[in-house]
Parts: sequence; structure tokens; C-alpha cells
Amino acid sequence: AQSVTQLDSQVPVFEEAPVELRCNYSSSVSVYLFWYVQYPNQGLQLLLKYLSGSTLVKGINGFEAEFNKSQTSFHLRKPSVHISDTAEYFCAVTYSGGYQKVTFGIGTKLQVIP
Amino acid sequence: DTAVSQTPKYLVTQMGNDKSIKCEQNLGHDTMYWYKQDSKKFLKIMFSYNNKELIINETVPNRFSPKSPDKAHLNLHINSLELGDSAVYFCASSQDFRAYSYEQYFGPGTRLTVT
Repeated sequence: AQSVTQLDSQVPVFEEAPVELRCNYSSSVSVYLFWYVQYPNQGLQLLLKYLSGSTLVKGINGFEAEFNKSQTSFHLRKPSVHISDTAEYFCAVTYSGGYQKVTFGIGTKLQVIP
Repeated sequence: DTAVSQTPKYLVTQMGNDKSIKCEQNLGHDTMYWYKQDSKKFLKIMFSYNNKELIINETVPNRFSPKSPDKAHLNLHINSLELGDSAVYFCASSQDFRAYSYEQYFGPGTRLTVT
């Protein structure tokens, strides 16, 4: 069975500082990994996704993530955060061989402090 | 143009009532989903439909009944509402449920409060 672990429920960070949001997954088959962002009182929207190829994936709003198969991780990073990045971030996984049933992590609340 | 829309945005009702939430997508996608997000932001899939056919039905009380009149619409009807049904319900769509690489597009959510 597949699962996703987001290690931090909340991450406070000062504006213009770098941030890393951690995500680990478990699966016995090939996986496809996603990061979604949920701004207050809104639905989720895709930040970036890893399907195959280069392990460094760039997304919208200056975010990037690195797929590390040996460590089963897909951490999200941004070199300099802005107040507008304050949101909930969800790591998600689907796996090859099944219907598209997405397993979401519990979310990490990024709080950018002015 | 709104890609995935839901109505209503807020729903406040009393225990025991029956209510419906409507969802429409104009993306031309074949697959639609209902998710429940609890107060701790945990997001759990409830149902998935592909071209009007039910393909995923998680362990959800049978008080919840989805209906898909066509592939652009997926409605959720809830009978005999309980306090524990209070949550935010999200509709989503994706291009094809067999392609696990496709991202999902989410609606703005419906906040259901049962008193």
C-alpha cells in the first residue's frame, strides 16, 4: 500500500528566507509524486509534479522539488519565500498499475512571518 | 472561466436534514472525484466517477450518494446529516482515471456545517 508522510505540520519562516517542506513516501511500485498548494478558503492547485526523467522538478511561484528514490523523498524547496506563500502544502502520490487514486499527506502549514 | 465549480460555497443545516452539493467542470475531463477535508486539513477521497460510471467508492456511509448525470457533472447527496459530516467537501476532475500521471483540478470547496 502506498502512503505519504509529511514530517512537519507547521513551518514558520521569515520572509525572504529559504524553506524546505519535507515529504516521504512508501510504495513497492513506481510512483508519481505531486505537490499541491491550498491558499486560505480555496481549493488545491498543482505546484509541480514528478513523473520521470530529471529528479529536480521546477514548479510555479519559484518552487522546486527533488525526487530521491533511495531515500523515498520528494522535498519541496523555495530559496526565498514571500508573504503570499502562506498556505497549506500537500504532498501526494499515485502509483503505476492502478486507477488514479491519489493519496495525500496530512499537509504542512507554511507560515511566512514579515 | 471557472474550471471546476461547486455550489453552494457554504451550507449550514441541522442534524437529520438532507442536503445536496453540486459540481460542474468545463475542462472536458472524463473523471470526477469527491473529497472530504476534515478540520485538521486531512484530505480523503470519497468517490470517483469516470464518464458517469462509479469507479472508486471508499468506505463511506451509504447516507452519501453521488450522482453523475453526465461526465461534466457530479453531485453529492447526503441523507440524515450528522455532526461528524461537518467538513469541507471538494470536487475535483482529471483527464483520465487510468492515467495516474495526470494532475487533478479542484473546485473551491463547500463548507458544510451541521448543527
